[in-house]
Amino acid sequence: DAKTTQPTSMDCAEGRAANLPCNHSTISGNEYVYWYRQIHSQGPQYIIHGLKNNETNEMASLIITEDRKSSTLILPHATLRDTAVYYCIAENYQLIWGAGTKLIIKP
Amino acid sequence: GAVVSQHPSWVICKSGTSVKIECRSLDFQATTMFWYRQFPKQSLMLMATSNEGSKATYEQGVEKDKFLINHASLTLSTLTVTSAHPEDSSFYICSANTPGLAGLSYNEQFFGPGTRLTVL
Repeated sequence: DAKTTQPTSMDCAEGRAANLPCNHSTISGNEYVYWYRQIHSQGPQYIIHGLKNNETNEMASLIITEDRKSSTLILPHATLRDTAVYYCIAENYQLIWGAGTKLIIKP
Repeated sequence: GAVVSQHPSWVICKSGTSVKIECRSLDFQATTMFWYRQFPKQSLMLMATSNEGSKATYEQGVEKDKFLINHASLTLSTLTVTSAHPEDSSFYICSANTPGLAGLSYNEQFFGPGTRLTVL
């Protein structure tokens, strides 16, 4: 079973920052937090991952709390194309997919 | 990111026939390829992991004689669904990786677009 919990769904206005939370209170010290997203009827897309420091790339930022029990994925300027299911995964050697968060970007 | 393709993108077949799905890494050599299955409104489930030149490792509950996986080269893996039945209808997705290459971790996988299988 997935070790993460995420809200079932979220809405965000186009152009605003989308902040997607994830709880992983049982994460082990050496386990990374990975974020993927899946647009309807497509394969998943890797977004970002991190261990304990905050990370940023061209797609998103990942903020991990100091105790590592939760994290937030930030899409700084959401567009309609960011509508997807976002998965937070706290594993090192396999991807165990929970239900994810269905993010809907509204015009 | 790296590009992974799948062929066909969709297939409809009769019950009892076999279907082969190809997964190719187009711009890198993948030592490890993964096959997932996703039923409607559900999450992805890992079916098997294959390393080039080795036998695939199947997840619990996945019949290896029904889902034949071949990973004969660093750019191609195939999944053959033998004697397909309507309950095998699903979205099959592959991913590819070469852990350690350019700092890639095991879980940084590049996914194909998926193949939708419908068995009548």
